Amino acid sequence: SAVISQKPSRDICQRGTSLTIQCQVDSQVTMMFWYRQQPGQSLTLIATANQGSEATYESGFVIDKFPISRPNLTFSTLTVSNMSPEDSSIYLCSVPTGLDGYTFGSGTRLTVV
Amino acid sequence: AQTVTQSQPEMSVQEAETVTLSCTYDTSENNYYLFWYKQPPSRQMILVIRQEAYKQQNATENRFSVNFQKAAKSFSLKISDSQLGDTAMYFCAFAPTYNTDKLIFGTGTRLQVFP
Repeated sequence: SAVISQKPSRDICQRGTSLTIQCQVDSQVTMMFWYRQQPGQSLTLIATANQGSEATYESGFVIDKFPISRPNLTFSTLTVSNMSPEDSSIYLCSVPTGLDGYTFGSGTRLTVV
Repeated sequence: AQTVTQSQPEMSVQEAETVTLSCTYDTSENNYYLFWYKQPPSRQMILVIRQEAYKQQNATENRFSVNFQKAAKSFSLKISDSQLGDTAMYFCAFAPTYNTDKLIFGTGTRLQVFP
């Protein structure tokens, strides 16, 4: 199965600033998914990132707030822009990995103060 | 719209006992994929078990097994011989197409295994 390195593991940020989260996969994958997990809640898909095309955003999420880059088949970034305390969540990336289903990064715990 | 429902926000079980977590889903697809993921306090998402809808046989992975009832759109997880390390959030998830589509998650069940 694939191995994903997600950074940073946690951060505390001031409101109004931006944070970029990185996911590096040890193999080439076509699709990468970015999820948000608000405190005590389930995972909600933010967007699907495909290499070579614009990311596809789910209802309620917009590119200006969550810009995504996917420069190659092993790497992607998610930026949380102009942060507010409501953005405090765990953010996870995920890739489909054959018989093992979907592999997830270790998550980024973001606290906005 | 495809949805996944977990009606048990919290469950508890004594060590070595058996517990069943419930999951129902709604879809008009005939072929799809179902998963149970475990999320311990480390927040890492760990695949517990998966089931292909076209397979009638229930999936089993060591102490974990599922009861897949396609007509009823039910996908419960049974944990046998519960261990303290099983304490975690458990999420049921659905994917309409394997490896090319997003996962749709239920709201989760918090399982506490006590000595």
